[in-house]
Amino acid sequence: QKEVEQNSGPLSVPEGAIASLNCTYSDRGSQSFFWYRQYSGKSPELIMSIYSNGDKEDGRFTAQLNKASQYVSLLIRDSQPSDSATYLCAVNPYYTGGFKTIFGAGTRLFVKA
Amino acid sequence: DTGVSQDPRHKITKRGQNVTFRCDPISEHNRLYWYRQTLGQGPEFLTYFQNEAQLEKSRLLSDRFSAERPKGSFSTLEIQRTEQGDSAMYLCASQDGRRELAGPRSYNEQFFGPGTRLTVL
Repeated sequence: QKEVEQNSGPLSVPEGAIASLNCTYSDRGSQSFFWYRQYSGKSPELIMSIYSNGDKEDGRFTAQLNKASQYVSLLIRDSQPSDSATYLCAVNPYYTGGFKTIFGAGTRLFVKA
Repeated sequence: DTGVSQDPRHKITKRGQNVTFRCDPISEHNRLYWYRQTLGQGPEFLTYFQNEAQLEKSRLLSDRFSAERPKGSFSTLEIQRTEQGDSAMYLCASQDGRRELAGPRSYNEQFFGPGTRLTVL
């Protein structure tokens, strides 16, 4: 079992729709969870961090965390073509002392104009 | 705050040559991470520094790889006797570990530089 798992996609949504990206993780003691956006040929850009169960909203982005289910998701409302990118889920497992970040392979998102 | 910078942005080398990459983190950040990313994969952890101390190295980091952060500021990653399998994007990330002094230890946001794309022919 991979430590951080994501559906590789591609996920295709029409412009203006809600894009839902999902991630599961294996280390139950994990405390920190992140979503990064990565455009082709570029480096990852941090867009959301979440530490507590529930929802965290920032503009069009909402991160959702369910530690009991070991599940993290990212919702993108009013999706725009400029949101087309790979979205990386990242987790700091407890066994690493919380300092090392493990990344999923990413989900490719296409937003059709 | 000029963000994390990396140099060079691209490097093409022949198999067997040595290469060195540099990373300049955000100035007040005390932690620095190196990752490697290949096509279709997420970044893979290589090593990290807290100030000048190298605290952890991945098993991915063979004896051909060495990293330093001599003054606790910039860092270098050297690959000796490069192999075609070393071709990848090498990413540096910066973190302000001091945030833990003010809040929960779980605040571990990392900020990436633009990366160095290495091609070994």
